[in-house]
Amino acid sequence: DAGITQSPRHKVTETGTPVTLRCHQTENHRYMYWYRQDPGHGLRLIHYSYGVKDTDKGEVSDGYSVSRSKTEDFLLTLESATSSQTSVYFCAIRVAGGPDEQFFGPGTRLTVL
Amino acid sequence: AQSVTQLGSHVSVSEGALVLLRCNYSSSVPPYLFWYVQYPNQGLQLLLKYTSAATLVKGINGFEAEFKKSETSFHLTKPSAHMSDAAEYFCAVSDSGGSNYKLTFGKGTLLTVNP
Repeated sequence: DAGITQSPRHKVTETGTPVTLRCHQTENHRYMYWYRQDPGHGLRLIHYSYGVKDTDKGEVSDGYSVSRSKTEDFLLTLESATSSQTSVYFCAIRVAGGPDEQFFGPGTRLTVL
Repeated sequence: AQSVTQLGSHVSVSEGALVLLRCNYSSSVPPYLFWYVQYPNQGLQLLLKYTSAATLVKGINGFEAEFKKSETSFHLTKPSAHMSDAAEYFCAVSDSGGSNYKLTFGKGTLLTVNP
């Protein structure tokens, strides 16, 4: 357990509404990542952060934005949710000093109606 | 660019039988390789990792994987399957610290264990 929590754990929303998912870590890790998991696609990187206010896009970033104003929190925002963004979202951190392994949070199941 | 291919989206074995989950990778630099396991309705848990120290890597729960550079493979094995091994398994590759330590995942293999 790398001290990662995600909130909310489950959310149902309607198309066109904004949604923000939160990832919180307690151990001051520099690198944080947001993935989405869909059947048949594995995990795909949405955005990542390499420090406070330092973020970059992953392979499926369209329709998503992120913010990191403090080390412990990494927020993922869907500005206007669409049904194609129904998915399970995972946050991960990288522990410094080791290889590139990442440790994952418990996930957020988002349903967009 | 790096990529991972997991052969077989679904593998079914009998309890006590050999488990073999296949992973092939593509990377332009020496890779780090990982296997993760996901139990139903849970996050991903690291099973084992290859970081160039030894080609045969042992992980948790009796799993191991062998790095074969000539075959660009990193297959996951377990000699005797247990019912508790039923889960989805993901292979992942990293470019040894480049690109902000990003991982690229395979699409996953669902392992079913039959009594």
